[in-house]
Amino acid sequence: DAKTTQPPSMDCAEGRAANLPCNHSTISGNEYVYWYRQIHSQGPQYIIHGLKNNETNEMASLIITEDRKSSTLILPHATLRDTAVYYCIVRLAVQGAQKLVFGQGTRLTINP
Amino acid sequence: DTEVTQTPKHLVMGMTNKKSLKCEQHMGHRAMYWYKQKAKKPPELMFVYSYEKLSINESVPSRFSPECPNSSLLNLHLHALQPEDSALYLCASSQGQTQTQYFGPGTRLLVL
Repeated sequence: DAKTTQPPSMDCAEGRAANLPCNHSTISGNEYVYWYRQIHSQGPQYIIHGLKNNETNEMASLIITEDRKSSTLILPHATLRDTAVYYCIVRLAVQGAQKLVFGQGTRLTINP
Repeated sequence: DTEVTQTPKHLVMGMTNKKSLKCEQHMGHRAMYWYKQKAKKPPELMFVYSYEKLSINESVPSRFSPECPNSSLLNLHLHALQPEDSALYLCASSQGQTQTQYFGPGTRLLVL
């Protein structure tokens, strides 16, 4: 199973870009990288996902390296409300179904 | 609209009680999921339903019994739980099993 490795915690100043790294060196060719975040025991919130190409939406950008072994989530202008645990997840195909296997995540703190 | 609702928000039950958690979505999604999240840990998959049929059971003890009565509704029946089953129970849904999962706010369960 592809696994992800993230730093346990990061800090970022409000208004700056937050860059969250993720390693997924055993990812297979058809496995997607997903990012979710969880704010203080609420349900995880979907942020973005990608397969090979870089992706951008209204929340964030996802940069995937050419060899697909790592990726970076970028929050371009972090606010205090972006303080959360961010999960980088590889979606696995198992028994004909798909499942998300969450790692430990990165606790991102945005400081005023 | 990406809303998944869960009831109740909080539940306290004794070890001899029988209770049920409910999850509902009206997005036309055909895959639904139950996750369990212990304090300070990432969510862990319990069950996956696809087109109202159980497709994944992650070796969950039989005191947890899922049910998918129709495509919009997912229940988790609880019986003879243990204190270590106290956790946040999260429901998610996706258009199909290969699409993005959207999570509900969760039910916080305390077993006494």
